[in-house]
Amino acid sequence: AQSVTQPDIHITVSEGASLELRCNYSYGATPYLFWYVQSPGQGLQLLLKYFSGDTLVQGIKGFEAEFKRSQSSFNLRKPSVHWSDAAEYFCAVGRNGNKLVFGAGTILRVKS
Amino acid sequence: DVKVTQSSRYLVKRTGEKVFLECVQDMDHENMFWYRQDPGLGLRLIYFSYDVKMKEKGDIPEGYSVSREKKERFSLILESASTNQTSMYLCASSTQGEQYFGPGTRLTVT
Repeated sequence: AQSVTQPDIHITVSEGASLELRCNYSYGATPYLFWYVQSPGQGLQLLLKYFSGDTLVQGIKGFEAEFKRSQSSFNLRKPSVHWSDAAEYFCAVGRNGNKLVFGAGTILRVKS
Repeated sequence: DVKVTQSSRYLVKRTGEKVFLECVQDMDHENMFWYRQDPGLGLRLIYFSYDVKMKEKGDIPEGYSVSREKKERFSLILESASTNQTSMYLCASSTQGEQYFGPGTRLTVT
């Protein structure tokens, strides 16, 4: 069965510092991979997705993620974090019928 | 822009009540989903629908049912609400593998 692990429950970074959020997945075939962000009191917004092709994908708000098949990872990165990036981030892997399996989420705090 | 709306942002119900959560999407998507979100557990799929009147159980369907009479509307029903169903409920619709989410309904069962 597919599964997604986000090892970090909370991460705190200083404004302007770089960010990397980790995501590991378990899936038998070539996965569809997603990162979503949820601001407090809001629904989820898609940051970026990987279906095939270039393993480095660019998303909205300056985020990027790299698919590494050998490590079963899809880590999210941003070179310089802004205070408005404070939110909860979810990694997800696609399965049959357009369904998704989500990780438990990583809460990002940004300190000024 | 895709828009997914949910009927209520906050809802408080009593144990044993029948609860309806409504979701509407405006992009003619075939697939619609209901999730519940709990701290530390991420989003868990309750039910999904791939066409009008078609539905499949997700990972945690117990205590829930759904209805999809029109393509744009997908309802989640708690037949007899219990306190362990206190949670955030998120609806989504999808096309080409990408899901679009509503703002969520925070349900409290007392």
